[in-house]
Amino acid sequence: GAVVSQHPSRVICKSGTSVKIECRSLDFQATTMFWYRQFPKKSLMLMATSNEGSKATYEQGVEKDKFLINHASLTLSTLTVTSAHPEDSSFYICSARDEGLAFTDTQYFGPGTRLTVL
Amino acid sequence: GDSVTQMEGPVTLSEEAFLTINCTYTATGYPSLFWYVQYPGEGLQLLLKATKADDKGSNKGFEATYRKETTSFHLEKGSVQVSDSAVYFCALRSLYNQGGKLIFGQGTELSVKP
Repeated sequence: GAVVSQHPSRVICKSGTSVKIECRSLDFQATTMFWYRQFPKKSLMLMATSNEGSKATYEQGVEKDKFLINHASLTLSTLTVTSAHPEDSSFYICSARDEGLAFTDTQYFGPGTRLTVL
Repeated sequence: GDSVTQMEGPVTLSEEAFLTINCTYTATGYPSLFWYVQYPGEGLQLLLKATKADDKGSNKGFEATYRKETTSFHLEKGSVQVSDSAVYFCALRSLYNQGGKLIFGQGTELSVKP
């Protein structure tokens, strides 16, 4: 099946610093990628939809200036958590929709990135 | 708006027991329905899906049938193994609402004891 990778898998940073998380579709092109946040023992919360070559669409309540998303190519989207604070500590998961099939509504998920802000 | 409701967890079973995880949904139009599984420390993996009423999705011994009359998509497995211990998420995607995004239930943690 399709593979989506994330890097790094874990990151620990100091409060006030910025952290960039990469999401790559390894064997398919993805016009659309999604960024989720998952709290312990909770469901996934969609943060934003990342569209290649255009601005991301953020969900209500998600700070655009705090969570910067860039989708510069058909295989790469990045999420930058700016001026991170302890409350930003979470598990961030990306997913990509395979646009190569005639029609698919299957999203492939990355393994996630555990962010800890001290 | 669209929503998915799953049974509360955690669910604890002995090996070879029968598993049912209930999932009901509310949606505009005719959504596609999914079950995803998340093993400890990993991302989500698609387990099975169904795209129209009465479809049955199946994979790795798990099954779920798209029941439009009861708006349900319950996950079942006849004989669970320790390796099935994970969190299971029911989800829907509707093209008629919310831009075709995946809407997840809250997840149900399954723990299978030997």
